[in-house]
Amino acid sequence: QVQLQESGPGLVKPSETLSLTCTVSGGSIGTYYWSWIRQPPGKGLEWIGFIYYSGSTNSNPSLKSRVTISIDTSKNQFSLKLNSVTAADTAVYFCVRDLSGRYFDLWGRGTLVTVSS
Amino acid sequence: EIVMTQSPATLSVSPGERATLSCRASQSVSSNLAWYQQKPGQAPRLLIYGASTRATGIPVRFSGSGSGTEFTLTISSLQSEDFAVYYCQQYKNWPPLLTFGGGTKVEIK
Repeated sequence: QVQLQESGPGLVKPSETLSLTCTVSGGSIGTYYWSWIRQPPGKGLEWIGFIYYSGSTNSNPSLKSRVTISIDTSKNQFSLKLNSVTAADTAVYFCVRDLSGRYFDLWGRGTLVTVSS
Repeated sequence: EIVMTQSPATLSVSPGERATLSCRASQSVSSNLAWYQQKPGQAPRLLIYGASTRATGIPVRFSGSGSGTEFTLTISSLQSEDFAVYYCQQYKNWPPLLTFGGGTKVEIK
């Protein structure tokens, strides 16, 4: 069955760029939307943005100026870059399959990214 | 931005009892609402979409209702594996700004 796996550094320094990649296995990345969602420790969920397999994107206005989401269909991967990070960006980051840019039916296990010097 | 408010924050229920969770939207989202379950250390799991349609593999004891601004998730007879945090999420607009409620924790009474 289709599985998602996040990868990337678990520690990022303040003001630097957080970079994560999600690898989709067991199925094609094509024909779906793919999102990033984050969850600060002990808190709720925040949608960061999505990318369609064609490359079109949309992101949360609260993060839009700092977010870049890209896709590599040849590798069955999509990626997140969040620049100028602060401690407030410390969270578990989930990559998620997004049904038509609406709701989320398949989740990665999540990866904790800590912003600290 | 559509703000989603869930109540109560914590619900204490005995196994076998019914649990009723509420979610309110700051403006109408029609039936564009989903519910998720999250257990400690795990990713959320989709339970309900379209306000009332169960996702694949979700037991019939989970049901969703409502439209507009008021929604309810009902768990008819709580099993031990149902103690978790539940989130609602709206997806009304396009391009979307997808927002979640703050969550309701269902704990053992």
